Amino acid sequence: GESVGLHLPTLSVQEGDNSIINCAYSNSASDYFIWYKQESGKGPQFIIDIRSNMDKRQGQRVTVLLNKTVKHLSLQIAATQPGDSAVYFCADQGGGSYIPTFGRGTSLIVHP
Amino acid sequence: DTAVSQTPKYLVTQMGNDKSIKCEQNLGHDTMYWYKQDSKKFLKIMFSYNNKELIINETVPNRFSPKSPDKAHLNLHINSLELGDSAVYFCASSQSGGQKDGYTFGSGTRLTVV
Repeated sequence: GESVGLHLPTLSVQEGDNSIINCAYSNSASDYFIWYKQESGKGPQFIIDIRSNMDKRQGQRVTVLLNKTVKHLSLQIAATQPGDSAVYFCADQGGGSYIPTFGRGTSLIVHP
Repeated sequence: DTAVSQTPKYLVTQMGNDKSIKCEQNLGHDTMYWYKQDSKKFLKIMFSYNNKELIINETVPNRFSPKSPDKAHLNLHINSLELGDSAVYFCASSQSGGQKDGYTFGSGTRLTVV
C-alpha cells in the first residue's frame, strides 16, 4: 500500500449504504494483497485477501477488487453497519519479500 | 485464548530509560513481527523474525532489539528511550510468510515517553 498525504483519509457513510475504500500500491512485483480492519484500541484484523491471479474476491458483505494494470485495490462493504466503523488498511507483498507493505489507512465512519 | 498477546498494554516511562515489551503467540506460526504505528496510524515494519532469519528494517535505530527465546515469543527491547519513540507497538505472527490468511496482530502496547 502507498502513503497518500499527511492526514488519514476519511469516508463517512450512512448506515445501510455501500462503502468503497480505495488503495494504491507501487510494487509491480506484489502478488498478494490483504485488507485489514482496525477498531479503536485494537490491533489490525484480517478481513479478506486476494492473489494477483484474481481480479475479484468476495467474502461476507465484503468484496475486494484488484486492478493490476493501474496498481489499484478496493474494498467494497455492502450494507455498511455502525460496527464497520474503523480504520481500514490495505497491504501488499511479493517480489520475494514476505513482509507486507501497509498503506496509510482510511477511516470509515458510519452514521446511524 | 488470545492468539497474539502482548504486555504491557500501556507503558509510560521517562526519557533515557530502558524498557521491554513482551509478545507471545499460541498459533504455532513460524514468523513473528514488530510494527510501530504512529499518531497518524501509519504502520511501519520494524523486525521480522523466524527461527532462521532476522530481518531488520534498516531505518530502525539500533536502540531497538528483538529477542526471541523460542518460536512462540518475540520480545522488543528498547534502550535509551527518546520522546520520538512514543507510539503504539504491535506484535504480529504469520505462517508461511503470511501468504495464507495474512497476519495475526496483538492488541498493541501504547508507549509514552515523557
